[in-house]
Amino acid sequence: QVQLQESGPGLVRPSETLSLTCTVSRGSISGYFWSWLRQPPGKGLEWIGYIYYSGSTNYNPSLKSRVTISIDTSKNHFSLKLNSVTAADTAVYYCAREPPSGGVFDYWGQGALVTVSS
Amino acid sequence: DIQMTQSPSSLSASVGDRVTITCRASQDITNDLGWYQQKPGKAPKRLIYSASSLQSGVPSRFSGSGSGTEFTLTISSLQPEDFATYYCLQHNSYRTFGQGTKVEIK
Repeated sequence: QVQLQESGPGLVRPSETLSLTCTVSRGSISGYFWSWLRQPPGKGLEWIGYIYYSGSTNYNPSLKSRVTISIDTSKNHFSLKLNSVTAADTAVYYCAREPPSGGVFDYWGQGALVTVSS
Repeated sequence: DIQMTQSPSSLSASVGDRVTITCRASQDITNDLGWYQQKPGKAPKRLIYSASSLQSGVPSRFSGSGSGTEFTLTISSLQPEDFATYYCLQHNSYRTFGQGTKVEIK
């Protein structure tokens, strides 16, 4: 079955840019929507945005001004950039798959903790 | 934006109990709702999609119902492995999670 794996720096300094990549294995990136989500320590889940394999995107309005999601179908991965980070952006970041029908987020990565601190 | 109000925020129950968790949407989301289970340190796991469809591999003691603005997740007979936090999620407009329900051992 498909597997997702987040990778990237675990520590980011305030005001800088958080960058993560999600690599998809045992399945194709084509034909699906791919999302980023996050969960601050001890808190609930928040959707950040998604990208379709064709490159079209949709972002959470509360984060839209700071977020860019991109995709590289040749490498079977997609990426998140969140700029101007603060301590409030400290969270476990997850990537997840959205099938074209039958709901969303059927497969998830294991999550990557990103801490914003100087 | 669509808000999801989930209740209760926590509950204590015993093995074998019937458990019900409710989510209310701030506007009609038809059946664009899923339920997820999350255990500490793990990614969420999808249990129910399209409000009432059981995810493949999920035990039949889990069921979902509702449409429009009112939705329910029911665990018919709580098992030890079911103690976890449960979230509803709407995907009718953007994606919004409920606040979560922590199911604890009584």
